[in-house]
Amino acid sequence: QQQVKQSPQSLIVQKGGISIINCAYENTAFDYFPWYQQFPGKGPALLIAIRPDVSEKKEGRFTISFNKSAKQFSLHIMDSQPGDSATYFCAASNQIIFGKGTRLHILP
Amino acid sequence: DAMVIQNPRYQVTQFGKPVTLSCSQTLNHNVMYWYQQKSSQAPKLLFHYYDKDFNNEADTPDNFQSRRPNTSFCFLDIRSPGLGDAAMYLCATSRAPGTANIQYFGAGTRLSVL
Repeated sequence: QQQVKQSPQSLIVQKGGISIINCAYENTAFDYFPWYQQFPGKGPALLIAIRPDVSEKKEGRFTISFNKSAKQFSLHIMDSQPGDSATYFCAASNQIIFGKGTRLHILP
Repeated sequence: DAMVIQNPRYQVTQFGKPVTLSCSQTLNHNVMYWYQQKSSQAPKLLFHYYDKDFNNEADTPDNFQSRRPNTSFCFLDIRSPGLGDAAMYLCATSRAPGTANIQYFGAGTRLSVL
Protein backbone atom coordinates (compact mmCIF):
# COMPACT_ATOMS: atom_id res chain seq x y z
CA GLN A 1 0.00 0.00 0.00
CA GLN A 2 1.59 3.21 -1.15
CA GLN A 3 1.00 5.96 1.37
CA VAL A 4 2.25 8.84 -0.80
CA LYS A 5 1.24 8.97 -4.47
CA GLN A 6 3.16 11.32 -6.76
CA SER A 7 2.44 12.48 -10.29
CA PRO A 8 3.48 12.92 -13.00
CA GLN A 9 6.27 10.40 -13.31
CA SER A 10 8.10 12.71 -15.71
CA LEU A 11 7.62 16.30 -16.77
CA ILE A 12 9.05 18.46 -19.53
CA VAL A 13 8.74 22.23 -19.19
CA GLN A 14 10.05 25.08 -21.29
CA LYS A 15 12.54 27.46 -19.69
CA GLY A 16 10.65 30.19 -17.90
CA GLY A 17 7.53 28.07 -17.50
CA ILE A 18 5.87 26.77 -14.35
CA SER A 19 6.58 23.20 -13.24
CA ILE A 20 3.87 21.57 -11.13
CA ILE A 21 4.24 18.27 -9.33
CA ASN A 22 1.43 16.77 -7.30
CA CYS A 23 1.28 14.42 -4.34
CA ALA A 24 -1.53 12.79 -2.39
CA TYR A 25 -1.30 11.06 0.95
CA GLU A 26 -3.55 8.74 2.89
CA ASN A 27 -2.54 8.88 6.53
CA THR A 28 -4.10 11.87 8.28
CA ALA A 29 -1.53 11.48 11.06
CA PHE A 30 1.20 12.81 8.77
CA ASP A 31 2.16 16.29 9.88
CA TYR A 32 5.23 17.22 7.89
CA PHE A 33 5.55 17.27 4.12
CA PRO A 34 8.99 17.89 2.61
CA TRP A 35 10.07 18.01 -0.99
CA TYR A 36 13.47 16.65 -1.93
CA GLN A 37 15.52 17.41 -5.02
CA GLN A 38 17.94 14.80 -6.32
CA PHE A 39 20.51 15.32 -9.04
CA PRO A 40 22.08 12.33 -10.81
CA GLY A 41 24.75 10.70 -8.70
CA LYS A 42 23.79 12.67 -5.60
CA GLY A 43 21.68 11.99 -2.55
CA PRO A 44 18.35 13.75 -2.10
CA ALA A 45 18.50 17.23 -0.59
CA LEU A 46 15.69 18.99 1.23
CA LEU A 47 14.20 21.69 -0.99
CA ILE A 48 11.21 23.01 0.93
CA ALA A 49 8.75 21.65 3.49
CA ILE A 50 5.36 22.50 4.94
CA ARG A 51 3.22 21.66 7.93
CA PRO A 52 -0.53 21.11 7.49
CA ASP A 53 -1.48 24.16 9.54
CA VAL A 54 -0.69 26.45 6.57
CA SER A 55 -2.00 26.28 3.02
CA GLU A 56 1.03 27.67 1.23
CA LYS A 57 4.74 28.18 1.72
CA LYS A 58 7.00 30.04 -0.64
CA GLU A 59 10.78 30.10 -0.82
CA GLY A 60 12.14 31.97 -3.80
CA ARG A 61 10.85 30.32 -6.97
CA PHE A 62 9.55 27.27 -5.08
CA THR A 63 6.06 27.14 -3.57
CA ILE A 64 4.22 24.35 -1.79
CA SER A 65 0.43 24.43 -1.91
CA PHE A 66 -1.30 22.28 0.70
CA ASN A 67 -4.93 21.12 0.73
CA LYS A 68 -5.58 19.36 4.01
CA SER A 69 -9.18 18.38 3.28
CA ALA A 70 -8.19 16.77 -0.01
CA LYS A 71 -5.01 15.30 1.47
CA GLN A 72 -3.02 16.72 -1.41
CA PHE A 73 -0.01 18.96 -1.78
CA SER A 74 1.93 20.23 -4.73
CA LEU A 75 5.24 21.82 -5.64
CA HIS A 76 5.26 24.77 -8.03
CA ILE A 77 8.52 25.91 -9.59
CA MET A 78 8.12 29.37 -11.10
CA ASP A 79 10.34 30.60 -13.93
CA SER A 80 11.78 27.09 -14.34
CA GLN A 81 15.45 26.96 -15.28
CA PRO A 82 17.59 24.26 -16.88
CA GLY A 83 19.41 23.95 -13.54
CA ASP A 84 16.14 22.78 -12.00
CA SER A 85 16.29 19.61 -14.08
CA ALA A 86 16.38 16.86 -11.47
CA THR A 87 14.21 14.23 -9.83
CA TYR A 88 11.81 15.57 -7.23
CA PHE A 89 10.39 13.48 -4.41
CA CYS A 90 7.54 14.44 -2.16
CA ALA A 91 7.57 12.82 1.22
CA ALA A 92 5.62 12.55 4.46
CA SER A 93 6.51 12.09 8.11
CA ASN A 94 7.27 10.61 10.56
CA GLN A 95 10.02 8.45 9.22
CA ILE A 96 10.22 9.73 5.72
CA ILE A 97 7.90 8.00 3.26
CA PHE A 98 8.75 9.04 -0.26
CA GLY A 99 6.62 9.34 -3.35
CA LYS A 100 7.95 7.59 -6.43
CA GLY A 101 9.53 10.73 -7.80
CA THR A 102 9.10 13.02 -10.79
CA ARG A 103 11.85 13.41 -13.30
CA LEU A 104 11.76 17.05 -14.39
CA HIS A 105 13.48 18.25 -17.52
CA ILE A 106 13.60 21.93 -18.37
CA LEU A 107 14.12 22.70 -22.03
CA PRO A 108 16.52 25.57 -22.69
CA ASP B 1 32.33 20.38 3.10
CA ALA B 2 30.57 17.05 2.99
CA MET B 3 28.65 16.36 6.20
CA VAL B 4 27.48 12.83 5.45
CA ILE B 5 30.17 10.81 3.74
CA GLN B 6 29.62 7.44 2.18
CA ASN B 7 32.36 5.08 1.11
CA PRO B 8 32.91 3.72 -1.34
CA ARG B 9 30.93 5.59 -3.98
CA TYR B 10 30.84 2.47 -6.14
CA GLN B 11 31.03 -1.10 -4.91
CA VAL B 12 31.09 -4.27 -6.94
CA THR B 13 30.57 -7.62 -5.27
CA GLN B 14 29.85 -11.16 -6.32
CA PHE B 15 26.62 -13.01 -5.80
CA GLY B 16 26.59 -14.30 -2.23
CA LYS B 17 29.79 -12.53 -1.15
CA PRO B 18 29.30 -10.39 1.97
CA VAL B 19 29.76 -6.67 1.52
CA THR B 20 29.90 -3.72 3.90
CA LEU B 21 29.06 -0.13 3.09
CA SER B 22 30.11 2.67 5.38
CA CYS B 23 28.75 6.04 6.37
CA SER B 24 30.25 8.75 8.53
CA GLN B 25 28.88 12.08 9.64
CA THR B 26 30.35 15.29 11.01
CA LEU B 27 27.02 16.70 12.21
CA ASN B 28 26.96 14.87 15.55
CA HIS B 29 23.39 13.85 14.81
CA ASN B 30 21.66 11.27 16.96
CA VAL B 31 19.89 9.42 14.17
CA MET B 32 21.40 7.63 11.21
CA TYR B 33 19.33 6.02 8.47
CA TRP B 34 19.94 3.59 5.64
CA TYR B 35 17.83 3.70 2.51
CA GLN B 36 17.82 1.51 -0.59
CA GLN B 37 17.07 3.25 -3.87
CA LYS B 38 16.61 1.22 -7.02
CA SER B 39 16.72 2.75 -10.45
CA SER B 40 13.92 5.27 -11.08
CA GLN B 41 12.37 4.49 -7.71
CA ALA B 42 11.98 6.35 -4.45
CA PRO B 43 14.36 5.69 -1.56
CA LYS B 44 13.06 2.98 0.73
CA LEU B 45 13.94 3.07 4.40
CA LEU B 46 15.69 -0.10 5.58
CA PHE B 47 16.41 0.80 9.20
CA HIS B 48 17.70 3.52 11.44
CA TYR B 49 19.64 4.02 14.63
CA TYR B 50 18.53 6.47 17.27
CA ASP B 51 21.72 6.67 19.28
CA LYS B 52 22.42 2.99 19.94
CA ASP B 53 18.83 1.86 19.53
CA PHE B 54 18.33 -0.07 16.31
CA ASN B 55 14.97 0.23 14.53
CA ASN B 56 14.31 -2.19 11.70
CA GLU B 57 11.56 -1.63 9.14
CA ALA B 58 9.13 -4.55 9.08
CA ASP B 59 9.81 -5.47 5.46
CA THR B 60 13.60 -5.22 5.52
CA PRO B 61 15.07 -8.62 4.61
CA ASP B 62 17.20 -10.41 7.21
CA ASN B 63 20.02 -10.31 4.69
CA PHE B 64 20.54 -6.67 5.63
CA GLN B 65 22.18 -5.80 8.93
CA SER B 66 23.61 -2.65 10.41
CA ARG B 67 26.14 -1.61 13.00
CA ARG B 68 26.76 1.71 14.67
CA PRO B 69 29.95 1.54 16.73
CA ASN B 70 29.87 5.23 17.65
CA THR B 71 27.97 8.45 16.92
CA SER B 72 29.92 9.20 13.77
CA PHE B 73 29.88 5.90 11.93
CA CYS B 74 27.24 3.51 10.70
CA PHE B 75 27.69 0.41 8.54
CA LEU B 76 25.37 -1.52 6.27
CA ASP B 77 26.20 -5.21 5.99
CA ILE B 78 24.68 -7.35 3.27
CA ARG B 79 25.36 -10.91 4.26
CA SER B 80 24.64 -12.69 0.99
CA PRO B 81 23.97 -10.21 -1.79
CA GLY B 82 21.60 -11.28 -4.52
CA LEU B 83 21.15 -9.77 -7.95
CA GLY B 84 18.07 -7.98 -6.65
CA ASP B 85 20.16 -6.11 -4.09
CA ALA B 86 21.92 -4.08 -6.75
CA ALA B 87 20.89 -0.52 -5.98
CA MET B 88 22.00 2.83 -4.66
CA TYR B 89 22.31 2.80 -0.88
CA LEU B 90 21.80 6.12 0.82
CA CYS B 91 22.81 7.08 4.32
CA ALA B 92 21.11 9.99 6.04
CA THR B 93 21.25 11.65 9.44
CA SER B 94 18.98 13.82 11.52
CA ARG B 95 19.30 15.50 14.87
CA ALA B 96 16.34 13.56 16.24
CA PRO B 97 13.75 11.17 14.84
CA GLY B 98 10.28 12.15 13.77
CA THR B 99 8.52 15.16 12.43
CA ALA B 100 10.35 18.12 10.99
CA ASN B 101 13.81 16.82 11.75
CA ILE B 102 15.60 17.47 8.50
CA GLN B 103 17.40 14.50 7.07
CA TYR B 104 20.77 15.11 5.47
CA PHE B 105 21.72 12.59 2.84
CA GLY B 106 25.07 11.35 1.67
CA ALA B 107 25.86 10.96 -2.02
CA GLY B 108 25.20 7.24 -1.87
CA THR B 109 27.03 4.04 -2.68
CA ARG B 110 26.04 2.33 -5.90
CA LEU B 111 26.25 -1.43 -5.41
CA SER B 112 26.59 -3.81 -8.32
CA VAL B 113 26.21 -7.56 -7.84
CA LEU B 114 27.82 -9.82 -10.43
